[in-house]
Amino acid sequence: AQSVTQPDIHITVSEGASLELRCNYSYGATPYLFWYVQSPGQGLQLLLKYFSGDTLVQGIKGFEAEFKRSQSSFNLRKPSVHWSDAAEYFCAVGAGGTSYGKLTFGQGTILTVHP
Amino acid sequence: EAQVTQNPRYLITVTGKKLTVTCSQNMNHEYMSWYRQDPGLGLRQIYYSMNVEVTDKGDVPEGYKVSRKEKRNFPLILESPSPNQTSLYFCASSLSMGLEQFFGPGTRLTVL
Repeated sequence: AQSVTQPDIHITVSEGASLELRCNYSYGATPYLFWYVQSPGQGLQLLLKYFSGDTLVQGIKGFEAEFKRSQSSFNLRKPSVHWSDAAEYFCAVGAGGTSYGKLTFGQGTILTVHP
Repeated sequence: EAQVTQNPRYLITVTGKKLTVTCSQNMNHEYMSWYRQDPGLGLRQIYYSMNVEVTDKGDVPEGYKVSRKEKRNFPLILESPSPNQTSLYFCASSLSMGLEQFFGPGTRLTVL
């Protein structure tokens, strides 16, 4: 069974500072990996995804993530955070094979941005 | 407008009273899924459907049923709700599993 761990429940950064949100996954084969963002009272929006190929993935809103198989990680980064980035961020892993379609989310990381 | 709709948006009910939360999408998506969101636990997948008449369990299917008789609809059924099913529920759809999922607005369910 697949699983996802987001070690940081809450992160606070200053506007303009760089950001890295951590995500570690457990899955026996090459996973499908996603990062979603949820603003307060809203549904989820896809930031980026990794299926195969280049391990550095670019997404929307200036975000990027790097897939590191050796570390079972898929960390999300942004070089300069804007106040509007304050939200909750979820990493998710999708399975292949007979469990294709099953999607497991991490617990989420709440991002607070100080002016 | 392309969207996923859920009804009702808010529901307060009592233990054991059967209920259905509807989910409908107008994007001709094949893949649909139900999640529940609880503080500190993130989103947990309840059931998903790869296409009409094709459904499978997610991580937390106990106490829930689904059906996919039409491509656009994917209702979530709680035959005998219990207080531990109090949660925020999201329906989502996508063209296929690997593509971006579009989420509905959520249904906040309280079971007393």
